[in-house]
Amino acid sequence: GIQVEQSPPDLILQEGANSTLRCNFSDSVNNLQWFHQNPWGQLINLFYIPSGTKQNGRLSATTVATERYSLLYISSSQTTDSGVYFCAAQTPNNNDMRFGAGTRLTVKP
Amino acid sequence: DAGVTQSPTHLIKTRGQQVTLRCSPKSGHDTVSWYQQALGQGPQFIFQYYEEEERQRGNFPDRFSGHQFPNYSSELNVNALLLGDSALYLCASSLEIGPNSPLHFGNGTRLTVT
Repeated sequence: GIQVEQSPPDLILQEGANSTLRCNFSDSVNNLQWFHQNPWGQLINLFYIPSGTKQNGRLSATTVATERYSLLYISSSQTTDSGVYFCAAQTPNNNDMRFGAGTRLTVKP
Repeated sequence: DAGVTQSPTHLIKTRGQQVTLRCSPKSGHDTVSWYQQALGQGPQFIFQYYEEEERQRGNFPDRFSGHQFPNYSSELNVNALLLGDSALYLCASSLEIGPNSPLHFGNGTRLTVT
C-alpha cells in the first residue's frame, strides 16, 4: 500500500515564527488531507488538498501531486498551534486513508 | 449541523472482555470508517462501512468487527480484549464512498485494557 512519510518528526518554535511541514507519499493520490490533533486527541480537518494550493488564515497548504509531496505552512505561530499534525493520503480504488506518523509541533511563548 | 459523535469517551476493560463503541456520522454522511490510534502513532485503518456492509478492511484480526445501521450510525466491537488493544479509537464519516470525499473525525473513545 501507499507509504506516507512526514518530516520533521518534532519541531519546536518560538511564538511568532513560521514553519513548513512536509508530507511525502509513494503513490498517486486522489485524496490528501492535513489534520491537527489537539492534546485531547481531537483530529481537526485543516485542508482537503489532493492538488493545488489553499489558504485558511495563517495556514496554507500546497500539494504537488506529480512530485508526490504536500507542504503545510504555518505563519506567525501561536501557542495554540501546538499539537501533532498529520498528513493522510488515499489512492484511487482504495477506501483506506493512510496516515503518516505525524509532526509534533511545540510553540513556546 | 451535528458533527461526528462517539460514545463513550473513555472506557476501562479487563483482558478477555468484549467492548462495543458507537459512532454517529456527521449529518448527511453515509460512510463510516474506524481507526485505531496507539500512543505516539498515527491512526490506523480498521474498516469502512457503507450501505450497512463492510467495504474494506485493514490489517486487523477478526476479533474486530463492526456494524452499520440503516440510519448510518455504526458500532465497533472488539472481542477477547488484549492489553495491546489499549488505544484511542476514532470514527470518521464521509459523504460518499471512494475518492474526493474528505473525512470528518469524532473526538474518539479512549479504551484502556488492564
